[in-house]
Amino acid sequence: AQSVTQLDSQVPVFEEAPVELRCNYSSSVSVYLFWYVQYPNQGLQLLLKYLSGSTLVKGINGFEAEFNKSQTSFHLRKPSVHISDTAEYFCAVSPISGGYNKLIFGAGTRLAVHP
Amino acid sequence: SQTIHQWPATLVQPVGSPLSLECTVEGTSNPNLYWYRQAAGRGLQLLFYSVGIGQISSEVPQNLSASRPQDRQFILSSKKLLLSDSGFYLCAWSKVSYEQYFGPGTRLTVT
Repeated sequence: AQSVTQLDSQVPVFEEAPVELRCNYSSSVSVYLFWYVQYPNQGLQLLLKYLSGSTLVKGINGFEAEFNKSQTSFHLRKPSVHISDTAEYFCAVSPISGGYNKLIFGAGTRLAVHP
Repeated sequence: SQTIHQWPATLVQPVGSPLSLECTVEGTSNPNLYWYRQAAGRGLQLLFYSVGIGQISSEVPQNLSASRPQDRQFILSSKKLLLSDSGFYLCAWSKVSYEQYFGPGTRLTVT
């Protein structure tokens, strides 16, 4: 079985400051990793994904994440945040196997960017 | 390009009334389809998934059901709503690349 832990439920930060949203996972099989963003009253939008290759993954809106297999982590970072980055961020994993693409989500981290 | 639609966008229903939420996908064929529920301030709970027409798997026992009458149509239903059914319902689709793409969601309030 797989589980995802997002270590911070809320992260307040000032505009133009750097931010890191932490994600740890547990799995007995290899997984693919994802970060999604959800703006108020909207669906989820894929920010970035790690399937294979370089452990540093770049996504949309200036976000990047680094896969650390030994620490089973996939932390999301942005060097300088904007007010428009205020949203809920979800980390998710998908076990690599045949069949349907099951996603296991963390509980989410609410990023609040203040002026 | 692919798009996913959900309707209605918002819905207020009394306890005990029936429910039908619809999701359709355009621009792809034979997608995997999913229904999620997001309760206030909580993460996403997978309710149902489907790998083909008429093939539905349930992740969580509840008073909801799902159907897939056409390749790109996924319907979430209930015969009698409970207060606990309130939430934000999200439909998603995927193909072989593992990531899922989400619709805009339906906000359901059961009163």
